[in-house]
Amino acid sequence: SAVISQKPSRDICQRGTSLTIQCQVDSQVTMMFWYRQQPGQSLTLIATANQGSEATYESGFVIDKFPISRPNLTFSTLTVSNMSPEDSSIYLCSAWDRGLEEQYFGPGTRLTVT
Amino acid sequence: GDSVTQMEGPVTLSEEAFLTINCTYTATGYPSLFWYVQYPGEGLQLLLKATKADDKGSNKGFEATYRKETTSFHLEKGSVQVSDSAVYFCALLPNFGNEKLTFGTGTRLTIIP
Repeated sequence: SAVISQKPSRDICQRGTSLTIQCQVDSQVTMMFWYRQQPGQSLTLIATANQGSEATYESGFVIDKFPISRPNLTFSTLTVSNMSPEDSSIYLCSAWDRGLEEQYFGPGTRLTVT
Repeated sequence: GDSVTQMEGPVTLSEEAFLTINCTYTATGYPSLFWYVQYPGEGLQLLLKATKADDKGSNKGFEATYRKETTSFHLEKGSVQVSDSAVYFCALLPNFGNEKLTFGTGTRLTIIP
């Protein structure tokens, strides 16, 4: 199974600033995903990131607010831009293992915006 | 569209009790079904899965059977431990090449010694 790491694990940021979250997978994967999990809630998909193409965003999420990069088959970044307290959440990246037909998750980045 | 409905939580049980967390789904065709577990302060871990009707997924003493006739995938464990305290998510994956998971709302389980 794929092992996924994220950096930073947590951060406290000021309103109006931006934070970039990094996601590293220990094997090459075609599809990576970014989710948001608000306190005590389920996961909401932000976007799908395929290598070599623009990310595909879900309803309610836009590229200007959550720009995503996918430079190669093992790495992706999510930026949370112009943050407000409503962006306080856990951000999770995940990767689809096509061989096993399973999706694996990173440990998450806990973001607090003050 | 596809959806997953999970038993409302939180659920509190005594150690060694029998556990059932209900999960039903709505989807076209034959989706794959998953249970994920999230321990405090951690990301999601795949617990078990089933890819076709009547399949039983099992791991760490947990089991779930894919019931097409009742569109259900209930999670069970015969004797829970304190270490099983976590949030459990049921999820489905459509079978037509879309790798986007649809998650239930999650069920928080607390096991008391």
